Amino acid sequence: NAGVMQNPRHLVRRRGQEARLRCSPMKGHSHVYWYRQLPEEGLKFMVYLQKENIIDESGMPKERFSAEFPKEGPSILRIQQVVRGDSAAYFCASSPRTSGKLFFGSGTQLSVL
Amino acid sequence: KNEVEQSPQNLTAQEGEFITINCSYSVGISALHWLQQHPGGGIVSLFMLSSGKKKHGRLIATINIQEKHSSLHITASHPRDSAVYICAAPHSGGGADGLTFGKGTHLIIQP
Repeated sequence: NAGVMQNPRHLVRRRGQEARLRCSPMKGHSHVYWYRQLPEEGLKFMVYLQKENIIDESGMPKERFSAEFPKEGPSILRIQQVVRGDSAAYFCASSPRTSGKLFFGSGTQLSVL
Repeated sequence: KNEVEQSPQNLTAQEGEFITINCSYSVGISALHWLQQHPGGGIVSLFMLSSGKKKHGRLIATINIQEKHSSLHITASHPRDSAVYICAAPHSGGGADGLTFGKGTHLIIQP
């Protein structure tokens, strides 16, 4: 019974490249959340998705960032044309239902050179 | 939008001491979360509670809905409890949205 799987664990990109972060929720979980943790800062909510739907994207920057959770496969957080300020740890969490307990992945550490 | 405040920001204690971390929030909520982030970065959900008190091993979480306040207690603290403890509440009070996080309490338990 695997937990929430995030990959890659570490991702290095040069400015202007695209970053794709993947999150496979726990089996049976249809709710996925993405959070960002900037260096020396707390966690910040980015987006909440259910299968094929974005429920709340109020924490997502308006440009360059997008997220999806297709019917099949992992949830993807996509950052286009990365900048140094995007360097952070990105955590995914899943839950079996709305207002359910959250289970976190190990995070993806994105470094933009 | 919910505002979540935690105190203290940093706490150093001796092994065996009773630890209390406090959390207050501004908007009534369906449930409050307590999380633990290890030095390596991994995050574990400790509690999700909407009323009263929950206990798991040496950890106890309480919540007062009327006062919009929650506490996390650690009894007989141990160096392995050293971590960042974070409380989080739903943005707008409901459950079907993301969380607003406190800044975290950096706890160090010295042997």
